[in-house]
Amino acid sequence: AQSVSQHNHHVILSEAASLELGCNYSYGGTVNLFWYVQYPGQHLQLLLKYFSGDPLVKGIKGFEAEFIKSKFSFNLRKPSVQWSDTAEYFCAVHPWASIKAAGNKLTFGGGTRVLVKP
Amino acid sequence: DSGVTQTPKHLITATGQRVTLRCSPRSGDLSVYWYQQSLDQGLQFLIQYYNGEERAKGNILERFSAQQFPDLHSELNLSSLELGDSALYFCASSVGRGQGTTGELFFGEGSRLTVL
Repeated sequence: AQSVSQHNHHVILSEAASLELGCNYSYGGTVNLFWYVQYPGQHLQLLLKYFSGDPLVKGIKGFEAEFIKSKFSFNLRKPSVQWSDTAEYFCAVHPWASIKAAGNKLTFGGGTRVLVKP
Repeated sequence: DSGVTQTPKHLITATGQRVTLRCSPRSGDLSVYWYQQSLDQGLQFLIQYYNGEERAKGNILERFSAQQFPDLHSELNLSSLELGDSALYFCASSVGRGQGTTGELFFGEGSRLTVL
């Protein structure tokens, strides 16, 4: 079974600082990769996703993520954060092999809570 | 708005009681997933239904059960409630008709359960 590891549980930074959240997964085959965001008091929303192609993926609100296959990593970045980026961020992985199976093989990381100070 | 509807949004009940949470998936989605989110356990997958049938089971307690009805809405039943069951319960849906599962889920706004 695959697993997902998010390196930081909590991150505190000031507005305009750059953000990078680490995500590593363990799985031997091809995967789909996701970053979800949960703003305070809200549900999880998709921030960006990677299925194939250009390993540098751009998402909403200025976020991007880079898939490095050799490192099994899918790190999330934002050059300049805003107070409104305060949220919890979840990395998730889904194996290609399970795409047609319609069974839940989506695995979430433990989440990283980001606090942006104004 | 993800298109996934959950009711109730908030629920307060006592230990030992039973509650039912309801979820309507996005139009056309066949799969419904239930997740529990708590401060100490994080986001935990409970169970998945696909077109009325149970497809995957996660860390779901025996006191909990779920079902998906012919109209594809789902209910999560929590019984003999304990203090530790206080959490946010999310429903998500995926998989339109004829499509495979990419792993992309669409989450509802959750039902916050408080057990006193």
